[in-house]
Amino acid sequence: QQQVKQSPQSLIVQKGGIPIINCAYENTAFDYFPWYQQFPGKGPALLIAIRPDVSEKKEGRFTISFNKSAKQFSLHIMDSQPGDSATYFCSHRSGNTGKLIFGQGTTLQVKP
Amino acid sequence: DVKVTQSSRYLVKRTGEKVFLECVQDMDHENMFWYRQDPGLGLRLIYFSYDVKMKEKGDIPEGYSVSREKKERFSLILESASTNQTSMYLCASSLPLDTINYGYTFGSGTRLTVV
Repeated sequence: QQQVKQSPQSLIVQKGGIPIINCAYENTAFDYFPWYQQFPGKGPALLIAIRPDVSEKKEGRFTISFNKSAKQFSLHIMDSQPGDSATYFCSHRSGNTGKLIFGQGTTLQVKP
Repeated sequence: DVKVTQSSRYLVKRTGEKVFLECVQDMDHENMFWYRQDPGLGLRLIYFSYDVKMKEKGDIPEGYSVSREKKERFSLILESASTNQTSMYLCASSLPLDTINYGYTFGSGTRLTVV
């Protein structure tokens, strides 16, 4: 089974802090690395995604950093807000299928 | 607004019952997926389907089956429910593989409790 290992399992930061969530993968055939955000009582929603031909992607306060040689990628949330409190999942997609393999999830709490 | 709708938010079933979880999408997506979500384990793929009447096993198919008779509907079946199948079940559908911002649209989930 292809895996992606996500850490930490939970994270608490103060408002304005920069939480960082890390993921590591095994198979270099993966071609797409999306992050999902899930609020309580809701299904996960696509937040931001990156392909392995770039090292960084920013969308608003969310940044993905990608290290292809280390097979790692991470999510940074700049100027975090209480409304960012949610569970975050990294994932990857293998090149010839549409299925995503997800990490274990990180529950983020941003304190006011 | 595009939607994936799961028929039940909460279900309580007895051990040994046959359980049907229904999922409908209104986006004309070809790909549909069933995951279960458990604390500390993330989302694990049970089954997926690339087209009507086509299905493929995911990572944890044991104890489950699926049905896709129409493009918009993908059903997950627990043949004989057991307590270790108590979980949150998430259905998703997706755009074609070559879409620039490829991703899933998830339903809100069905929380199943087997007693």
